[in-house]
Amino acid sequence: DGGITQSPKYLFRKEGQNVTLSCEQNLNHDAMYWYRQDPGQGLRLIYYSQIVNDFQKGDIAEGYSVSREKKESFPLTVTSAQKNPTAFYLCASTRGDGYTFGSGTRLTVV
Amino acid sequence: GENVEQHPSTLSVQEGDSAVIKCTYSDSASNYFPWYKQELGKRPQLIIDIRSNVGEKKDQRIAVTLNKTAKHFSLHITETQPEDSAVYFCAALLKGNSGYSTLTFGKGTMLLVSP
Repeated sequence: DGGITQSPKYLFRKEGQNVTLSCEQNLNHDAMYWYRQDPGQGLRLIYYSQIVNDFQKGDIAEGYSVSREKKESFPLTVTSAQKNPTAFYLCASTRGDGYTFGSGTRLTVV
Repeated sequence: GENVEQHPSTLSVQEGDSAVIKCTYSDSASNYFPWYKQELGKRPQLIIDIRSNVGEKKDQRIAVTLNKTAKHFSLHITETQPEDSAVYFCAALLKGNSGYSTLTFGKGTMLLVSP
């Protein structure tokens, strides 16, 4: 679906539980990104990775962790330290300037 | 930190009217400015972008203008149609502390086109 796939589409988390969101791309893009979207807040950058085995914190990295063991994959873990994790999470990738987005994962704390 | 301001937050127009959304950015070194359209529950889709070496770019009913001196850029939609109704985001490529550039987004404009 557009070369970048996020799963699952919907995810429910209990208090104190870690969950991992998947992001896979077959576009041969070097750079990958995770954004969080809340109503009225736009898209805020959580983590990004320009190359395999390297990643940087974005503006709101606290309570999240990532890995980049393969070029195609950039999973995001929402840890129990993230106090307000309910949001729409978007993964993106690029080879140049324009980003291609995945279809998103809606995470809800129950 | 570096940011992007977007106005208005909501915009209601009649079908056939024009719509204008404006953004300002803080980093004078920024050189790439895309616009994304996001329909409800969907992913953002790139609709047009502009680089700092040009002042205007058009694609059918959509145009973007850039004023580097004033550090602002605008999206213009002419002859609006109901299917233009969506949230529109501007963005600017800004260099962070890591030395890498990433897209910083405005907070979005909800455009409603009434038939």
